[in-house]
Amino acid sequence: EVQLVESGGGLVLPGGSLRLSCEASGFTFSNHWMHWVRQAPGKGLVWVSRINNDGSDTRYVESEKGRFTISRDNAKGTLYLQLNNLRAEDMAVYYCVRGYNYGLDHWGQGTLVTVSS
Amino acid sequence: QSALTQPPSASGSPGQSVTISCTGTSSDVGAYNYVSWYQQHPGKAPKVIIYEVTKRPSGVPDRFTGSKSGNTASLTVSGLQAEDEADYYCSSFARSNTWVFGGGTKLTVL
Repeated sequence: EVQLVESGGGLVLPGGSLRLSCEASGFTFSNHWMHWVRQAPGKGLVWVSRINNDGSDTRYVESEKGRFTISRDNAKGTLYLQLNNLRAEDMAVYYCVRGYNYGLDHWGQGTLVTVSS
Repeated sequence: QSALTQPPSASGSPGQSVTISCTGTSSDVGAYNYVSWYQQHPGKAPKVIIYEVTKRPSGVPDRFTGSKSGNTASLTVSGLQAEDEADYYCSSFARSNTWVFGGGTKLTVL
């Protein structure tokens, strides 16, 4: 059974940083692109970033280029998202999602990032 | 990277059919057959119900069907059931190797 378990969310001050993690199991992690998608409270889904199988290629939503960094450790089966210079509008549930053939299939339960002073 | 356009709400009575549209551009929906649909119940993570425009993952009822014409994709839910009440989102692969979601449609079963 595919499982994706996010962690690392929490309360952070504006301008602060967080590193989100996603532990994958139940499939061959290194065979899949991986994504982060976020959802602000009461709002819709927004694609944030994607990393290819070996981590050599990364893509970001235009608005977050330069502040967010996606990475992965295939040996540990773990996906990461480094969030820097956080703003109130970054407050959201961040989902780790497995990629499948240019789509997104399995989703984690998400980790909540709260940005507040 | 503008969001795909979905109606904010849709509704139907049990047993009826309802169709939700998802309009993009020639750079996303119109360019690729990589449109997916997701169902999200309150407080839960999204679940894929349609991928590659028309394909259903195992376990998804055949009451859910997807289609596409030009820059617009559609999700049809036939034989509406109470448990179909949820938020529905479309997404598409887009040029420059990015992805884009629709704003979401809240489906109400009357």
